[in-house]
Amino acid sequence: NAGVTQTPKFQVLKTGQSMTLQCAQDMNHNSMYWYRQDPGMGLRLIYYSASEGTTDKGEVPNGYNVSRLNKREFSLRLESAAPSQTSVYFCASSEVGELFFGEGSRLTVL
Amino acid sequence: GQQLNQSPQSMFIQEGEDVSMNCTSSSIFNTWLWYKQDPGEGPVLLIALYKAGELTSNGRLTAQFGITRKDSFLNISASIPSDVGIYFCAGQGTSGTYKYIFGTGTRLKVLA
Repeated sequence: NAGVTQTPKFQVLKTGQSMTLQCAQDMNHNSMYWYRQDPGMGLRLIYYSASEGTTDKGEVPNGYNVSRLNKREFSLRLESAAPSQTSVYFCASSEVGELFFGEGSRLTVL
Repeated sequence: GQQLNQSPQSMFIQEGEDVSMNCTSSSIFNTWLWYKQDPGEGPVLLIALYKAGELTSNGRLTAQFGITRKDSFLNISASIPSDVGIYFCAGQGTSGTYKYIFGTGTRLKVLA
């Protein structure tokens, strides 16, 4: 049982480049989330999807877009990467009050 | 953005000692979650709490959902070296929201 799977695990981008982080869960959860983690800042919510077909902004949505492709998959897109988006990105899914995380995607923007 | 106040930020303890940490919020939560994160990995769920006053254990870990619903506590008894890591609390607000808000973490270091 893989749980929450994120790809890629590492990525280096130049300022202005675009990329998509992929996330898939095999737990049949309705809700999915994207967080970013920066030193000393804890985890901050970027976007979430309460159920298939819906998406909503979190605390720090600027510079990001998301797509809930189906119940299993929730992608995060950076259209024009900026150095301030250098971070570790975590995808998570939830059901019945419990939130489960993937292993993270470490993104560096030069 | 909204975040929980988690304390202490870091602590060094001797192996075998008990550890306590807490999270407080200005908002009421319906759910409190406690996580541990090891370097280079994602947070792993330790304990979930769903009712005010609830006390739940998972091995040497015990967590409590505060009566006011604005705080939660995590205790680790008889710490061992593998307890090293960052511990996060997370709260889910009242009905109608799917958002989980996280504390800034407590970094635990255990001295053998």
